[in-house]
Amino acid sequence: EIVLTQSPGSLSLSPGERATLSCRASQTFTSTSLAWFQQKPGQAPRLLIYATSNRATAIPDRFSASRSGTDFTLTISSLEPEDFAVYYCLQYGISPFTFGPGTKVAIK
Amino acid sequence: QVQLVQSGAEVKKPGASVKVSCKASGYTLNGYYMHWVRQAPGQGLEYMGYMHSQSGDTQIAQKFQGRVTMTRDTSISTAYMELSRLRSDDTAVYYCARGGIIAGVMPADGTPPFNYWGQGTLVTVSS
Repeated sequence: EIVLTQSPGSLSLSPGERATLSCRASQTFTSTSLAWFQQKPGQAPRLLIYATSNRATAIPDRFSASRSGTDFTLTISSLEPEDFAVYYCLQYGISPFTFGPGTKVAIK
Repeated sequence: QVQLVQSGAEVKKPGASVKVSCKASGYTLNGYYMHWVRQAPGQGLEYMGYMHSQSGDTQIAQKFQGRVTMTRDTSISTAYMELSRLRSDDTAVYYCARGGIIAGVMPADGTPPFNYWGQGTLVTVSS
């Protein structure tokens, strides 16, 4: 199975700063089927990005994502107070689908 | 609008089974895959598997094979996930999430998979 490794495990930033989150796959997969989710305590995950770099409906354009080989990146250009949460990547191209362990973005 | 409404919290004893339901509204259940994901307290998301809602075929993650059964009742637009031989480490919130469109059943609508989630069902396993 494809193992996804997210880094850093956590980061502390201030509102207005840029956040760069990484998700690395254990093996190459040609599919673009990678998604990013945001999760806040007590809530279901919220889809941010699908197919590697496409924003889901109503997701602000401060969220962007890209890929370089087996490395996937989610960037939040300027953190808003509501962006402090845990972020997960998910590959849904090759069974079994797998999640990364998550990156917590905390307020500094 | 699309909604997934899950059944309420459950408390089960070790060795028992639990069946979580996920009622879909605002769309045709058998036109989309259905995924199940769980999250233990304070932990990350764990993918369990998916069901082809028209055929009923399933793809279950190896960790859960032999213990998880995914079914659906299209007449009431409800999907189910049953987990048997419960252990204390099965204590978690279980989520259903709508997957991608099933080709040939529904016309493409551009909605990505995992865009809609149930509210989660807490299953507590305790003696």
